[in-house]
Amino acid sequence: QSALTQPASVSGSPGQSITISCTGTSSDVGGYNYVSWYQQHPGKAPKLMIYEVSNRPSGVSNRFSGSKSGNTASLTISGLQAEDEGDYYCSSYTSRSPVFGTGTKVTVL
Amino acid sequence: EVQLVESGGGLVQPGRSLRLSCAASGFTFDEYAMYWVRQAPGKGLEWVSGISWNSGNIGYADSVKGRFTISRDNTKNSLYLQMNSLRAEDTAFYYCAKSPSSSGSYAPDHWGQGTLVTVSS
Repeated sequence: QSALTQPASVSGSPGQSITISCTGTSSDVGGYNYVSWYQQHPGKAPKLMIYEVSNRPSGVSNRFSGSKSGNTASLTISGLQAEDEGDYYCSSYTSRSPVFGTGTKVTVL
Repeated sequence: EVQLVESGGGLVQPGRSLRLSCAASGFTFDEYAMYWVRQAPGKGLEWVSGISWNSGNIGYADSVKGRFTISRDNTKNSLYLQMNSLRAEDTAFYYCAKSPSSSGSYAPDHWGQGTLVTVSS
């Protein structure tokens, strides 16, 4: 079971929008509408930002949105803020166990 | 509020054993599958093991199969990970995580703060 593929890094200026991709296969991302996204700050546990492709948990800013097309899911952060800097991971349902993405470091310039 | 509190990490020599515990509160523990997920320093997330709500379905990553054993005690709202024959490559933060389902296939929706396991002589 291979990790989902994410870009190593994405950057943007405050106020801009950025998009992080998460590419898998028909056995994970493409096969189910169960993709989640996590934000992780240094020394902290991952925090759920998006679940079931595009749903936000209570308390998560509406600047975060998710989508999916085929075997690729995407997380978009609009109105980028300094506090959005950190690592982001996607995860998908599979028939055996959840699989995680390789992780993307987001830098706010 | 869901709370997951891990304990049991520490420094251990290669080949030795360690047992991690996770105390859960704020939700009906015996209705959900649970996981252990680890993260080596500076690396990404890796699913280690999962257990269904009634312990009827258990899975392990190939990297730990035969060495690690997951278990749960629903009467104590607790999750465990027995780690034997530890290797240097097992060094990582170990997170207890909750599934949003009784099944152990879905991405976690809550995480503990993690406990550090360091395997070194």
